[in-house]
Amino acid sequence: DTAVSQTPKYLVTQMGNDKSIKCEQNLGHDTMYWYKQDSKKFLKIMFSYNNKELIINETVPNRFSPKSPDKAHLNLHINSLELGDSAVYFCASSPLRGLGTGELFFGEGSRLTVL
Amino acid sequence: AQKVTQAQTEISVVEKEDVTLDCVYETRDTTYYLFWYKQPPSGELVFLIRRNSFDEQNEISGRYSWNFQKSTSSFNFTITASQVVDSAVYFCALSLDSGGYQKVTFGIGTKLQVIP
Repeated sequence: DTAVSQTPKYLVTQMGNDKSIKCEQNLGHDTMYWYKQDSKKFLKIMFSYNNKELIINETVPNRFSPKSPDKAHLNLHINSLELGDSAVYFCASSPLRGLGTGELFFGEGSRLTVL
Repeated sequence: AQKVTQAQTEISVVEKEDVTLDCVYETRDTTYYLFWYKQPPSGELVFLIRRNSFDEQNEISGRYSWNFQKSTSSFNFTITASQVVDSAVYFCALSLDSGGYQKVTFGIGTKLQVIP
């Protein structure tokens, strides 16, 4: 069983479209994250949820909207896609929200290509 | 503000050579955690090690070793007798407390290529 799973793994779409990426973790963790990795491999945090509550919201365009229906799921919806949104999006989870609660467990990433 | 600097963007070594990946971090906090992650060509992110700010003991795990020095704010990673399978991008990361939650900041990564 994959601990943190993301779907889809690959996504190719046109500018202006709306798309969603889903993430599920079966580790029983309370905290989930979305990271964006750009073409230069830079990993930047976008959002974090703890038990369905938004706790980190970095400077991300409001076209990006995370949704956490329960603590095992954190989905990312992107409206009006732009070329610059092309990246690999990683979902991650950690046991608790506080410092020292352990490493991040990452999904395999979802590669989004906007044409 | 926190920052992680990995000055080496790309390193190439010949198989069996030793290689050290540098990581320098900045923070005013006294309590923090440091990590190393590996991202092989397949793309997944693999956890390698976690170290808290109060534990400066060096660690060795097989061919991997880590040198944590608070005096220089460095957390360097050495691979001994490198192998082709070590080829990957390696990320150093810093975790701080931010309002009761953990915020992890990654360095830009060092791409290691091990040539057979």
